Amino acid sequence: SQQGEEDPQALSIQEGENATMNCSYKTSINNLQWYRQNSGRGLVHLILIRSNEREKHSGRLRVTLDTSKKSSSLLITASRAADTASYFCATDFTGFQKLVFGTGTRLLVSP
Amino acid sequence: DGGITQSPKYLFRKEGQNVTLSCEQNLNHDAMYWYRQDPGQGLRLIYYSQIVNDFQKGDIAEGYSVSREKKESFPLTVTSAQKNPTAFYLCASSITGVYGYTFGSGTRLTVV
Repeated sequence: SQQGEEDPQALSIQEGENATMNCSYKTSINNLQWYRQNSGRGLVHLILIRSNEREKHSGRLRVTLDTSKKSSSLLITASRAADTASYFCATDFTGFQKLVFGTGTRLLVSP
Repeated sequence: DGGITQSPKYLFRKEGQNVTLSCEQNLNHDAMYWYRQDPGQGLRLIYYSQIVNDFQKGDIAEGYSVSREKKESFPLTVTSAQKNPTAFYLCASSITGVYGYTFGSGTRLTVV
């Protein structure tokens, strides 16, 4: 399977702290994306980073990509209770936008 | 508002029945996808379609069928051949190129 893996599987922090999630994958990719899923809902696209990019920012989100290590990280700064959700990385290794999703990190942000 | 609509939200299937999950989008997206999510796990690709009247099998297509007769619609049929259909089913769409997916809110299918 080409499925990526997120680490840690679960993360519990206090409001105001930073949350870091990691994603590893197995083959060369065209791009990598991060999604958020609130319990029982669909996924929401957060950010996309292409294989020739090393870092991208969007609001409180920072994503890095290390293609030599086949890994990416998602940093959420100054976490809020509303950030409580599962976060998934997804890789496109075909170049045809057929995404392979990882197993997810469950983030709990306590007030 | 543009979006992607899945219906029904909850669906119960008896053993041996075929059921069809609806997915409709008004985003003018070319590509559509069906994923299956089991509790505590990631998403696995069932089928995808990049243009009308064409679709491809994903990683777990056995026991499922789809059609893409209109750009807006990509229904998924869960057949009686699918031995373990209880799961959360997610439909998504995207425009051609390197862009993110837009997801529907999902259908939770339970076998009774």
